[in-house]
Parts: sequence; C-alpha cells; structure tokens
Amino acid sequence: SAVISQKPSRDICQRGTSLTIQCQVDSQVTMMFWYRQQPGQSLTLIATANQGSEATYESGFVIDKFPISRPNLTFSTLTVSNMSPEDSSIYLCSVDPRGGGNNEQFFGPGTRLTVL
Amino acid sequence: RKEVEQDPGPFNVPEGATVAFNCTYSNSASQSFFWYRQDCRKEPKLLMSVYSSGNEDGRFTAQLNRASQYISLLIRDSKLSDSATYLCVVTGRGNTPLVFGKGTRLSVIA
Repeated sequence: SAVISQKPSRDICQRGTSLTIQCQVDSQVTMMFWYRQQPGQSLTLIATANQGSEATYESGFVIDKFPISRPNLTFSTLTVSNMSPEDSSIYLCSVDPRGGGNNEQFFGPGTRLTVL
Repeated sequence: RKEVEQDPGPFNVPEGATVAFNCTYSNSASQSFFWYRQDCRKEPKLLMSVYSSGNEDGRFTAQLNRASQYISLLIRDSKLSDSATYLCVVTGRGNTPLVFGKGTRLSVIA
C-alpha cells in the first residue's frame, strides 16, 4: 500500500476563485489519479497525471478548468479554476503503488470543497 | 447501459446475517475487478480483489463470472462495523482508470 496525504482537507471558497489541492505520496509512483466525488455520487476520474508529461483528461474535463502539475514521482497538484457552486465536491487523489498490471489503487483522504 | 451497475440499497440486515451484493459491468475487455469499501465522509479503501477462481478473506467472499459480466460479494456473520457503502470497481490492464459503480449501502442493525 501507500500513505497518501492531501492538503487542504477542506475549504470554503468564493465563486470565481481558484483552489490548488496538493497530493503527497510516501513512495515513488508512476501515475497518480485525480477523482471527483459529488454529493451522493460515486467517484469520477478527472485525469491521470504522469511525471514529466501532460496529464490525460477524461471526457468532460479540460485542462483550463483543472490544470494538473506532476513535478516529481511523489507529488501532484490539481487546481480547480474559476470555481462555481457546481464544483462543490470531494476531490481525491489515488496511486497504484505496484505499477502496471495490478491496478489496486489507494486513495488519499480527500479534499472537501464548498463553493459559495 | 452504465459501465458498472449496482443495486444502491440500502440493505438493512441484523447482526449475524449473511448478505450478498451483485454488480454487472458492460466492458467485456475488463481485466481487473475489485470491491472497495467507503465509510461515511471517508475515502474508499480496498476491501478485496476479485479473481476468476473466486476468493475468500475471512467473512468476505468475492466471485467473478466473466461470461455473464457479473461480480458478487458475500458477507457472512455481519458485524455492526460492516455498515458502509460497498463499491464495485472494474478496470482494464495496467495503469488504466478505475470505473466505479455508485455503490451499495449496507446498514447492519443490532
């Protein structure tokens, strides 16, 4: 498994502002994943973040709205830009510490975002 | 058809009962299958992987039927601490994205 931390754990933000969420892992991992979980819903993948290359975004998510950085093998950030109340959600990062072929993923504790 | 479908429940069962959850998936090329558990206001945590031959971990048994694209989770001798949402998860080979079902909520009642 892996120990994953996220900052902040929660935030309340004003419409039109941006928030950057940090994800730190205790070991080097090839890929990190960012998910969103809206109230009462399951998890939806936003993007996959590879170190040294552009993130790969899922349908419905774009880089301008959710820019991602992956400066090294233990850290990533997700920014929620120009926020609206519809962005209120829990944002989670996850990793697959064993690398390709296994796919057991482990999640950070999440960032609970409320946009007013 | 949704990629992963689960009965949302809730399943309300007494302590000691046996309860089974089912899940169907639409992508016949899916290679890996998991059950995750999510407690209220917490992140999902891996409960167990699901193997073609079926697998058991204590009170929990998972089964996979590739022909029917069907996964099951059986919980025996339910405990109060089993109360949670159980997420059925499938994926492809390698570091490919997980696809989550909406989850089945279980409440074990004293």
